[in-house]
Amino acid sequence: QVQLKQSGPGLVKPSETLSLTCDVSGDSISSASYWGWIRQSPGKGLEWIGSVHHSGTTYYNPSLKSRVTTLADTSKNQFFLRLSSVTAADTAIYYCARFGRGNSFGSWGQGILVTVSS
Amino acid sequence: DIQLTQSPSSLSASVGDRVTITCRASQSIATYLNWYQQRPGRAPNLLIYAVSSLQSGVPSRFSGSGSETEFTLTISSLQPEDFATYYCQQSYTTPLTFGPGTKVDIK
Repeated sequence: QVQLKQSGPGLVKPSETLSLTCDVSGDSISSASYWGWIRQSPGKGLEWIGSVHHSGTTYYNPSLKSRVTTLADTSKNQFFLRLSSVTAADTAIYYCARFGRGNSFGSWGQGILVTVSS
Repeated sequence: DIQLTQSPSSLSASVGDRVTITCRASQSIATYLNWYQQRPGRAPNLLIYAVSSLQSGVPSRFSGSGSETEFTLTISSLQPEDFATYYCQQSYTTPLTFGPGTKVDIK
C-alpha cells in the first residue's frame, strides 16, 4: 500500500518560495504513475497545482504555471513542489498525491497547512 | 477550463437514507469523472473513478453513474461514517478541476 508523507515549512513570507517534499513508500517513483500536488483553501476549494512523471514530464495549472516547479528524485523516492513569489492568496492546505486509475488521485499525503505571512 | 458544479451544496439526512449527489460539467468529459469523500481534518479519499468503478476497499453502498456532462453519486443506505463532504473531479483534460463539494450532515 503506497504511503505519502509530506514535509516542509508551515509559514512562508510573502514574495518568498514555498517548498514542499513528498516522501513515497510502498511504491516506486519510477513506476508508470504520475505524482501530483493539490491545494485546498476556503476561498477556492480544491485546486490542482501540477503533476510530474519520473521522466521529467510535467503538467501545470495555467493559473500557477509561471510560479510552479515540480520535480521527482528517483534516488530518494521523493517528489517536490516549488511555488515562487507567494502571496496571502497562496495560504492553503497542500497535498501530494499519486495518480490512480482513470487519472484519479488514488492516494494522498496527510496535507500541510502553509500560511503566507510576514 | 472545465467547470464542475454540484447539487445540492449541502444536505441533511438520516442514517439509512438513500442519498444522491449530482455533478455537472461545463462540457462533455466522457467518463473521466471521479468522486472523493473528505472528512473534517483529513485528506480527500477516492471513492469512485471513471464514473462507476469502485476504488478498492470502498463499501458497495457507494455507486456512481452518468456520462458526458451529468453524473451522480449515490449512497444507498447512509451510515454514520458517511457524514462528510463529497467532491467530484474531472480527469478529461488539464487543468484538472474539482467541484465545489456537497456537505452531508446529520438531520
